[in-house]
Amino acid sequence: EPEVTQTPSHQVTQMGQEVILRCVPISNHLYFYWYRQILGQKVEFLVSFYNNEISEKSEIFDDQFSVERPDGSNFTLKIRSTKLEDSAMYFCASTRDYLETQYFGPGTRLLVL
Amino acid sequence: GNSVTQMEGPVTLSEEAFLTINCTYTATGYPSLFWYVQYPGEGLQLLLKATKADDKGSNKGFEATYRKETTSFHLEKGSVQVSDSAVYFCALTMGSGANSKLTFGKGITLSVRP
Repeated sequence: EPEVTQTPSHQVTQMGQEVILRCVPISNHLYFYWYRQILGQKVEFLVSFYNNEISEKSEIFDDQFSVERPDGSNFTLKIRSTKLEDSAMYFCASTRDYLETQYFGPGTRLLVL
Repeated sequence: GNSVTQMEGPVTLSEEAFLTINCTYTATGYPSLFWYVQYPGEGLQLLLKATKADDKGSNKGFEATYRKETTSFHLEKGSVQVSDSAVYFCALTMGSGANSKLTFGKGITLSVRP
């Protein structure tokens, strides 16, 4: 069964450094999402992406964040200058149609020191 | 805005006990409703869903019915197993192209003891 994959599974970085989290959505999916889950808290929406542009973003998704689909298969989340409070599990999700179920990847655990 | 409220946890049950996890929602319009499960060390997996009022979603012995009149989507299972120990999230989406994000509840940790 096709699945969403994410790399790396864990990343440790220093505050102020740039990080890129990578996702490979399911191949025939068209809508892509990033969510994050700070330890012990609820899963929060960050951004949705369709047709090579952002459809919607939350207030969390400020100028430090960007997303890209560079090559038709990968979907990346970049954090330009990480802060301590960016430490979280980041989940990528995809769906073929916005009316259908979103499928989640296993997540990248980001730790900012 | 839209929101999901789940009962406070954690919940600890003995194997074969009956499970109910409450979920209520606030939404402008008619959302689709979901239960996602997160097993230890893993990502989110869809457990079940319902897309309109009175629909019942079911999977792996779990059930939830979309109740518009009480804006609820409570999760039930008649006889839990140790392998059901996980975090359960209730979620909704308005399912429109420009507003298809999932809004999650806080999640509740279920521990089932043998």
